[in-house]
Amino acid sequence: EVQLVESGGDLVQPGRSLRLSCAASGFTFDDYAMHWVRQAPGKGLEWVSGISWNSGRIGYADSVKGRFTISRDNAKNSLYLQMSSLRAEDTALYYCVKGGFGDFYYHMDVWGKGTTVTVSS
Amino acid sequence: QSALTQPASVSGSPGQSITISCTGTNSDVGGYNYVSWYQQYPGKAPKLMIYDVSNRPSGVSNRFSGSKSGNAASLTISGLQAEDEADYYCNSYTSSNTRVFGGGTKLTVL
Repeated sequence: EVQLVESGGDLVQPGRSLRLSCAASGFTFDDYAMHWVRQAPGKGLEWVSGISWNSGRIGYADSVKGRFTISRDNAKNSLYLQMSSLRAEDTALYYCVKGGFGDFYYHMDVWGKGTTVTVSS
Repeated sequence: QSALTQPASVSGSPGQSITISCTGTNSDVGGYNYVSWYQQYPGKAPKLMIYDVSNRPSGVSNRFSGSKSGNAASLTISGLQAEDEADYYCNSYTSSNTRVFGGGTKLTVL
């Protein structure tokens, strides 16, 4: 069974940094693209970032470009999101999502349960 | 990176069919056959319902179908059931090497 378990969410002050992690199991992690998707309280889904199987292709939403960095460690079956210069509008539930085979132009299929990031003073 | 356009809400009676539209541009929906649809219940993670415009993952009811014409994609649910009441989101790959969601549609089963 495919499982994605996010961690690292916390209450942080504006301007600070935070690192999210996602532990993957149940599939050959290094064959698939991975994504981060967030959902602010009471709002819709927002794609944040995606990374191809070998980290060769990476994309970011304009809202986080230059502040967030996605990475993966295929040896550890893990996905990361380094978030810096956090703003109140980054407050959301962050989902780790399994992408398609290889690159992230394919659909996202399996979602974790999410980890909550709250940015507030 | 503008969000794809979906109606905020749609409704239908049990047994009826409804269609949710998802309008983009030729840089996203119109440019690629990489449109997918997700169902989300309150407090739950989204679930993939349709991928690559019209393909259903294993286990998804054949009452759900997808299509695309030009810059607009659609999700149709036939034989509406109470359990279909949820939020639905479309998603597409874009020419900017990103993905983009629609704003979401709340489906009410009357």
